Amino acid sequence: SAVISQKPSRDICQRGTSLTIQCQVDSQVTMMFWYRQQPGQSLTLIATANQGSEATYESGFVIDKFPISRPNLTFSTLTVSNLSPEDSSIYLCSVDGGSREKLFFGSGTQLSVL
Amino acid sequence: AQSVSQHNHHVILSEAASLELGCNYSYGGTVNLFWYVQYPGQHLQLLLKYFSGDPLVKGIKGFEAEFIKSKFSFNLRKPSVQWSDTAEYFCAVRAGGYNKLIFGAGTRLAVHP
Repeated sequence: SAVISQKPSRDICQRGTSLTIQCQVDSQVTMMFWYRQQPGQSLTLIATANQGSEATYESGFVIDKFPISRPNLTFSTLTVSNLSPEDSSIYLCSVDGGSREKLFFGSGTQLSVL
Repeated sequence: AQSVSQHNHHVILSEAASLELGCNYSYGGTVNLFWYVQYPGQHLQLLLKYFSGDPLVKGIKGFEAEFIKSKFSFNLRKPSVQWSDTAEYFCAVRAGGYNKLIFGAGTRLAVHP
């Protein structure tokens, strides 16, 4: 199993600012995934972050808005830039358990943009 | 593109009632199928998964799901729910060979004592 620490757990930000979310895993993992869960909606994959390479973004998500760092095999950050109220959501970090059989999730970051 | 549909957004049951949550996916090839659960205030956690073999899979806490390939479905069932099953349930699919999971919109289940 993998234990994921994600922080902050929640934040309230002003329009136009940025928020960086940190994800720390207690073991080395190849792939880390960032999801967004908008109110009343499903989890949507933002990007996949591999150590040592550029993140792979899903359709509708761009690096300028959601820059991701992956400096090592246990850590990643997601920045949500130039915030607008539409970015209010829960952001989740997840990792593959190693056998591709399950994803482990962090506790999420609840972002509210005023 | 892959997609996952969960037909029930909110379900309210009394304890001991039977549960069935629908899940359909769109993808013609090999798939891995999952049900995740999120209890109030907790992380998402895996309930059960199907990769291959017996299409009736059993998970934790008495849950089971049946993969029906011809119907592109993976419905979740429990014969007798408990108050502690109150949670949000997510169906997810991964197309064979890919790493990402595609989630359904989720079903909020409320079980009344």
